[in-house]
Amino acid sequence: GAVVSQHPSRVICKSGTSVKIECRSLDFQATTMFWYRQFPKQSLMLMATSNEGSKATYEQGVEKDKFLINHASLTLSTLTVTSAHPEDSSFYICSAEKGQLYYEQYFGPGTRLTVT
Amino acid sequence: QQQVKQSPQSLIVQKGGISIINCAYENTAFDYFPWYQQFPGKGPALLIAIRPDVSEKKEGRFTISFNKSAKQFSLHIMDSQPGDSATYFCAAMTSGSRLTFGEGTQLTVNP
Repeated sequence: GAVVSQHPSRVICKSGTSVKIECRSLDFQATTMFWYRQFPKQSLMLMATSNEGSKATYEQGVEKDKFLINHASLTLSTLTVTSAHPEDSSFYICSAEKGQLYYEQYFGPGTRLTVT
Repeated sequence: QQQVKQSPQSLIVQKGGISIINCAYENTAFDYFPWYQQFPGKGPALLIAIRPDVSEKKEGRFTISFNKSAKQFSLHIMDSQPGDSATYFCAAMTSGSRLTFGEGTQLTVNP
């Protein structure tokens, strides 16, 4: 199998605080992980690509200082939303690429972030 | 050129009917075309995928039809069930590129 988990599944935080979201590949090693955000009734928007042991590559328009990504091991990537504001409220989803097969991407269950 | 256009935006089908969702792409370098199913509050799950060297792939009630010359592909759900009610996304990619998603289709199957 290929299972990707995310923690937490839901988080509510106050404006100005930081929130960390974890993405883990449970039964495979992932050299590449991806972070997406999804607004209600919209498609997934890629935020950044994270490679183990190197800096993340951010998509145009995504603030790298606001969305800190760390991919410290082959099974764990973290997304930290710093100084969160209500407009950062969204559904954040990670995916992990299994091995060298670029087309084998497995998605996590998502994290609902609400900033009050 | 990286876009994938998906239609319709929403679809209502009666139980037992056929659901058809269409996608079109521009980038001829794309060589992998997956479909994802997403339930509310959940991450997308891979449903079925196809490569351009075949024109059709079937897995159970789900079939992908692929037309390389027209740069179009579609998902057919046979004998649609209420449990199939979800949002469906088509996508496309190639080696070294990111997954490019369609806009999504919200499918409702009435009992």
